[in-house]
Amino acid sequence: DQQVKQNSPSLSVQEGRISILNCDYTNSMFDYFLWYKKYPAEGPTFLISISSIKDKNEDGRFTVFLNKSAKHLSLHIVPSQPGDSAVYFCAASARISNFGNEKLTFGTGTRLTIIP
Amino acid sequence: EAQVTQNPRYLITVTGKKLTVTCSQNMNHEYMSWYRQDPGLGLRQIYYSMNVEVTDKGDVPEGYKVSRKEKRNFPLILESPSPNQTSLYFCASSSTSYNEQFFGPGTRLTVL
Repeated sequence: DQQVKQNSPSLSVQEGRISILNCDYTNSMFDYFLWYKKYPAEGPTFLISISSIKDKNEDGRFTVFLNKSAKHLSLHIVPSQPGDSAVYFCAASARISNFGNEKLTFGTGTRLTIIP
Repeated sequence: EAQVTQNPRYLITVTGKKLTVTCSQNMNHEYMSWYRQDPGLGLRQIYYSMNVEVTDKGDVPEGYKVSRKEKRNFPLILESPSPNQTSLYFCASSSTSYNEQFFGPGTRLTVL
């Protein structure tokens, strides 16, 4: 049972335009969400996160939106640059009680290609 | 340079031959974790450790063992590897379980 789903395996976007990557989750206990970026032959690197008490978090060209009622989050990259071409994973955790992110559930990833 | 290192990066082995994948971090992080990445399944957590001598199962622990005798090291042990453990493995660490994790470069394991 995939609790975190990224339904688009791939996405191609023109350089300079907006890239929108989507992620859906089913577990209502999830209250912290993260996006990781992965280049070939490297480990994932943290990009941006959002707590369930917020609906938006922005960091430079990257913005994550959270819609709790729809159990949906999205990552917006604007403007898109060639260096953004990578696989993007969303991840979720349930920070209940005094536990943190020790149990992270990842989606299957979306391969983003930026076309020059 | 702050980093998580894994060894070996590539390994081909045969069914039943015990192996260990090492993971080391130089950031004095308390929290460490192992994941496997498989096509169509994303990253799945195998085991994690909150501190020295404290480990717990993730979502797919069957067939794996871990130990945390020192803060910097978190080896993954496959006592009797099987072909379904062919995968790309990542080790990760963070200062606390609330912080974002730093990932190693990955170990590609093939079990014949």
